[in-house]
Amino acid sequence: AQSVTQLDSHVSVSEGTPVLLRCNYSSSYSPSLFWYVQHPNKGLQLLLKYTSAATLVKGINGFEAEFKKSETSFHLTKPSAHMSDAAEYFCVVSEADSWGKLQFGAGTQVVVTP
Amino acid sequence: GAVVSQHPSWVICKSGTSVKIECRSLDFQATTMFWYRQFPKQSLMLMATSNEGSKATYEQGVEKDKFLINHASLTLSTLTVTSAHPEDSSFYICSARYFAGAQGGQYFGPGTRLLVL
Repeated sequence: AQSVTQLDSHVSVSEGTPVLLRCNYSSSYSPSLFWYVQHPNKGLQLLLKYTSAATLVKGINGFEAEFKKSETSFHLTKPSAHMSDAAEYFCVVSEADSWGKLQFGAGTQVVVTP
Repeated sequence: GAVVSQHPSWVICKSGTSVKIECRSLDFQATTMFWYRQFPKQSLMLMATSNEGSKATYEQGVEKDKFLINHASLTLSTLTVTSAHPEDSSFYICSARYFAGAQGGQYFGPGTRLLVL
C-alpha cells in the first residue's frame, strides 16, 4: 500500500520569497514520487519526478525537490516565488518505474501576494 | 511530445442522459490510460485503468455499469457516464502512460467539466 500526506492545505507567500511545500509518503515498494501543478480549470502539469536516481531532483520553472528516505519526505521548494506560481500542487506516489497507478495527495493551494 | 487531449472540455446535460468523453494521445501510443475524477477543491481520485483491447479495471466503489470505458485503439479511450445524475457532476481527467526513458510518465489531458442538471 502507498499513500502521501501533504502537510499544508494552503500556503501563502510573498512574491520573491521562498516556497516550501511539504510531502510525506508511505510505500511498501521503492517508490517513484512526483509533483504536479494544476492551474485553475486546467489539467495537470508534471513539475518533477524522482525515480531512484539522484535524490535532489530539479524540475521546471525553478522548482526542486529532495527525496529523503530516512524521513520519508519529498518536499518541494523554489527559491523565489512568482505570481504565476499560484496554483494547486499535488504530491504523488507510485510503484517505482511502473508509471502505473498514481496515488495523489490532498493538494496544497499556493497563494502568491505582491 | 506526449500530448493528451480530451473532448469535450465541458458539457452540460439533463439528468438521465448519457455523456461520452474522449481521451486521445496525440503523438504517442498508449496501451494504458487512466480516468480520474476531481470534485471542487479536492484531489484526484482514480476511477479506472483502461487497457487497450481488454476490459477496464475499476477502483473499489466505482460502478462499472455507470461509467463505461472503452479503449478500442492505442490512441483513444472513452468514458461514458450512463444515465447521468446531478451527483455525477465533476471534473473528469484522463491520463496516458508513455514509456520513453527519462521522458516517460503519465501525461494528463486538460479535463472535462460535466454538469448534470
